[in-house]
Amino acid sequence: GAGVSQSPSNKVTEKGKDVELRCDPISGHTALYWYRQSLGQGLEFLIYFQGNSAPDKSGLPSDRFSAERTGGSVSTLTIQRTQQEDSAVYLCASSSSRRGTDTQYFGPGTRLTVL
Amino acid sequence: GDSVTQMEGPVTLSEEAFLTINCTYTATGYPSLFWYVQYPGEGLQLLLKATKADDKGSNKGFEATYRKETTSFHLEKGSVQVSDSAVYFCALTGGYGGATNKLIFGTGTLLAVQP
Repeated sequence: GAGVSQSPSNKVTEKGKDVELRCDPISGHTALYWYRQSLGQGLEFLIYFQGNSAPDKSGLPSDRFSAERTGGSVSTLTIQRTQQEDSAVYLCASSSSRRGTDTQYFGPGTRLTVL
Repeated sequence: GDSVTQMEGPVTLSEEAFLTINCTYTATGYPSLFWYVQYPGEGLQLLLKATKADDKGSNKGFEATYRKETTSFHLEKGSVQVSDSAVYFCALTGGYGGATNKLIFGTGTLLAVQP
C-alpha cells in the first residue's frame, strides 16, 4: 500500500512568516511522529500522536511550533514567525501501534528553508 | 536520558571489503534497537532491528546483534557494494512502556564505497 506522504516537498519562506507542513500516515497507523533533521542537531524528535491526542510534545523547540492531528489520520505541523534556525528537513513517521518494538515508517520529508 | 553513540564517519571502503559501524547505547529498561539507512536523495528507511537481548537483525546482507552486556548493536556486512553508499543511523526506542516510543538517533555514519 501507499507509504507515508508529506507535502510540500520543499518550502522556501521569509523570516517571520508562518508555515504549515502536512503529513499523511500509512492508512490504519495509529501512532504518528514528527522529527527534524538538521546539520547541527542531527535527527531529533519533535512530537508524538496516538490517535488525535499528543501525549508527548517534549521535543517542540519553542511555543512557535504546534501540531495537530485530525480524524486519527492527517497531521499538520505549524511553525509561526519562522526563524533561520528553523531551516531543516521535517520528517513524519507512522507506526501501527505505540509499542517500541514496532517499526516507524518515514515519509520523504519537507525541506524548509527560511531566508 | 537515553542516548546512542555511533562511530564518526565518513567511512570509505573498496567494493567487497568488510564493513563494521560501531553503535553503543545508554538506556533504562529494555530498549528496541534499529538501524536506519538514508540513500542519497531518499528518505529514511529501516534496514534492520532487534527487540530483545541476543536477537540478531539481518537484511540485505547486513547484520547486527543486540548485546546487552556491552550495550552495543554494531552493524556488519561481509562484502559491501557501491550501492551500499549511504548514511547509516543507529537508533533506539525506550523499553519501559512510557508515554512515547520516540526514536533516539545516533549522529549517523556516512559510508562511501568505491569501485
